[in-house]
Amino acid sequence: GQQVMQIPQYQHVQEGEDFTTYCNSSTTLSNIQWYKQRPGGHPVFLIQLVKSGEVKKQKRLTFQFGEAKKNSSLHITATQTTDVGTYFCAGPGEQAGTALIFGKGTTLSVSS
Amino acid sequence: GAGVSQSPRYKVAKRGQDVALRCDPISGHVSLFWYQQALGQGPEFLTYFQNEAQLDKSGLPSDRFFAERPEGSVSTLKIQRTQQEDSAVYLCASSFLGRLTEAFFGQGTRLTVV
Repeated sequence: GQQVMQIPQYQHVQEGEDFTTYCNSSTTLSNIQWYKQRPGGHPVFLIQLVKSGEVKKQKRLTFQFGEAKKNSSLHITATQTTDVGTYFCAGPGEQAGTALIFGKGTTLSVSS
Repeated sequence: GAGVSQSPRYKVAKRGQDVALRCDPISGHVSLFWYQQALGQGPEFLTYFQNEAQLDKSGLPSDRFFAERPEGSVSTLKIQRTQQEDSAVYLCASSFLGRLTEAFFGQGTRLTVV
């Protein structure tokens, strides 16, 4: 079945360093979404990418959708302690009527 | 309401007990999803409703799990004869136009089976 994989599973950085998480799907995606979950919280929507090769920025966060629409990345420049949490990518299932399939997430920790 | 509301927030059940978890989606949202999240894992899909129709229940782990959304709004996830492996956070999410648009998650119900 369809799989969404993320690497790395964990990443620890010093405050001010950059961070990147990668997402790969076993199938072509019509769109990809990114969510952030703070410790003890629930996933919160960050962004959706739809077009092949699309790049979107939100302040220090840069999201990219691959040309083949099978991979995506999230890059954070100059991390801050407020960036701590788990970042999930999610894509719609292959078949119509199926729900978002989430990756296992990348957990980011930041030390000051 | 302002967001997706789930109740109870925490539930401790004795093994073998039945539980019912409630989700109030955002008003007007057509789609409703249930996910199970184990500690340190990503949300695992359980089931998906569009209005009152259950379009996909392929993620329900066993026939002990049952979900309904009879009037296309509030949904209930029922787990019969709970087992220890059912311990997890159960997340409900709703969206306006289904899986292709932003999903809004509730705070989740943390179920602990003892």
